[in-house]
Amino acid sequence: SQKIEQNSEALNIQEGKTATLTCNYTNYSPAYLQWYRQDPGRGPVFLLLIRENEKEKRKERLKVTFDTTLKQSLFHITASQPADSATYLCALGSKSTFGDGTTLTVKP
Amino acid sequence: EPEVTQTPSHQVTQMGQEVILRCVPISNHLYFYWYRQILGQKVEFLVSFYNNEISEKSEIFDDQFSVERPDGSNFTLKIRSTKLEDSAMYFCASSEGGPSYGELFFGEGSRLTVL
Repeated sequence: SQKIEQNSEALNIQEGKTATLTCNYTNYSPAYLQWYRQDPGRGPVFLLLIRENEKEKRKERLKVTFDTTLKQSLFHITASQPADSATYLCALGSKSTFGDGTTLTVKP
Repeated sequence: EPEVTQTPSHQVTQMGQEVILRCVPISNHLYFYWYRQILGQKVEFLVSFYNNEISEKSEIFDDQFSVERPDGSNFTLKIRSTKLEDSAMYFCASSEGGPSYGELFFGEGSRLTVL
């Protein structure tokens, strides 16, 4: 069956460092992969979408890579700030099936 | 900036009662979705809707659930006879394009508590 795994339920880093979050999937051949941010009690907010023919996508301090051979996407936040603290979700497929999320805490 | 709006923000109901959750998607969007998130768990797909019919639904979306676009702006989720396990946050989402477009815009959710 299809499975999405976001490694690390929680990630704690120091302000200014780069946060790297991982999304692995099995039994999928997604045409694209999305990353969302979710704050407690709020709806997910779209951040980035990367297609299967794109190796890397950037938006301001965010960078996403997509390796269809490894079946993995990496999500990077550079120069992290306490305001980046949130849960980050990857989503795949036409139903936008979500992973469990990784909760990032950036300490000042 | 255009946004998806959901009402009510919180509803408390007795088991067995019918509940209707309402959503106003972004006006030029054509694809509509409902998701739910049980407290502490992942966001789960329920149903997608396009051109006045269901495009896809999950195994969660059984006969107790229905969706409707009663007019040009609202998109509703009805739960016919609520169960305790229906207690969750329900999110509506919309997108401009179809499944290959991605980029869903979510509302702030309707918290349903079934007693």
